Amino acid sequence: AQSVSQHNHHVILSEAASLELGCNYSYGGTVNLFWYVQYPGQHLQLLLKYFSGDPLVKGIKGFEAEFIKSKFSFNLRKPSVQWSDTAEYFCAVIANSGNTPLVFGKGTRLSVIA
Amino acid sequence: GAGVSQSPSNKVTEKGKDVELRCDPISGHTALYWYRQRLGQGLEFLIYFQGNSAPDKSGLPSDRFSAERTGESVSTLTIQRTQQEDSAVYLCASSRFGETQYFGPGTRLLVL
Repeated sequence: AQSVSQHNHHVILSEAASLELGCNYSYGGTVNLFWYVQYPGQHLQLLLKYFSGDPLVKGIKGFEAEFIKSKFSFNLRKPSVQWSDTAEYFCAVIANSGNTPLVFGKGTRLSVIA
Repeated sequence: GAGVSQSPSNKVTEKGKDVELRCDPISGHTALYWYRQRLGQGLEFLIYFQGNSAPDKSGLPSDRFSAERTGESVSTLTIQRTQQEDSAVYLCASSRFGETQYFGPGTRLLVL
């Protein structure tokens, strides 16, 4: 069965600090990978996704993620965080075989302090 | 167009009562998913529908949980004889076949 691990439960950063959130998945086949974000009081929104092609994908609000197949990883990065990035971030994976449910990590709560 | 909508946004019920949660997917999305998010945990898959195919119920935690979907439109998740451990946010998502899932705002269920 697929699983997703997010190693950081809660990350606290100062504004302008760089961010990297770890995500590893277990699945031997082809996968589609996602990062979703949930801002306080809002619903889950897609931040970025990888289906195929360039393993470095860029999303909204300056976020990017790199798919490293050999490491089964899809880490999320942002060079300089803002207070408005305070949110919960979820990594998710789907086996690339059509419609299947997303398998989510437990989420990482990011708190950005001024 | 409009996103995924869910109702009610909040539901408080007493242990043992039945509840119904509703999801309106994005128009044209053939796939519809239900997930559950309990406090401090990630999202757990419950059930999904794809067109007129039989639903995948493999994530339902017990036979108290059931869901229906009429064609490619509204879905209802029903929890019978609710228990306190059913307290969670219930999220619905929809997608076109093989494409990104888009989530609704969720229904926050509290079982007293």
